[in-house]
Amino acid sequence: EADIYQTPRYLVIGTGKKITLECSQTMGHDKMYWYQQDPGMELHLIHYSYGVNSTEKGDLSSESTVSRIRTEHFPLTLESARPSHTSQYLCASSEWGGFNTEAFFGQGTRLTVV
Amino acid sequence: AQKVTQAQTEISVVEKEDVTLDCVYETRDTTYYLFWYKQPPSGELVFLIRRNSFDEQNEISGRYSWNFQKSTSSFNFTITASQVVDSAVYFCALSEDGPESGAGSYQLTFGKGTKLSVIP
Repeated sequence: EADIYQTPRYLVIGTGKKITLECSQTMGHDKMYWYQQDPGMELHLIHYSYGVNSTEKGDLSSESTVSRIRTEHFPLTLESARPSHTSQYLCASSEWGGFNTEAFFGQGTRLTVV
Repeated sequence: AQKVTQAQTEISVVEKEDVTLDCVYETRDTTYYLFWYKQPPSGELVFLIRRNSFDEQNEISGRYSWNFQKSTSSFNFTITASQVVDSAVYFCALSEDGPESGAGSYQLTFGKGTKLSVIP
């Protein structure tokens, strides 16, 4: 069973607020990812990290930012939330094993910006 | 660029029926991995299977089976005798080595998912 946790599970927040979505894993994985899942179910990679102090942007442009100060922690921040940010955000991690390693996912944060 | 197509957006079956979820992929690499994930209503994606491009042997795990055919670039997933607990969104994904994978090496590219509803 995967040990990757996201908080909060649900968040409703007003426009303009700053928010941070938390993601932690206890598996010691070097690689971590953030995916945005739209209502049509499609998953888009928005950020990833190869390890501490490494952050990269994914295929989908996002106004969010991430940090990786500790191996186990990969928070995502929106400085000023907008209704267009309403979505499901999924965090994942994988071992540093190359392209044959599966990713383990958290339960997601469903964000609604009103 | 790699691409994964799941043409079936939604499927409904009656309990105990068999159902096949289709997955077609595109890649320029000769070495790659294919995955299936299940996303139940609780939200997290659950890893089901991994298959490398050199292993075309089909696999069976209980009621689940996977048919990998390189000739047609397909990696289809069959659930036999479906149950209500199988209701979920199923994602097929591709990972290939090298810079052609898009946002850096070793990234998973997901299909758009197939929502399976099993009706009691």
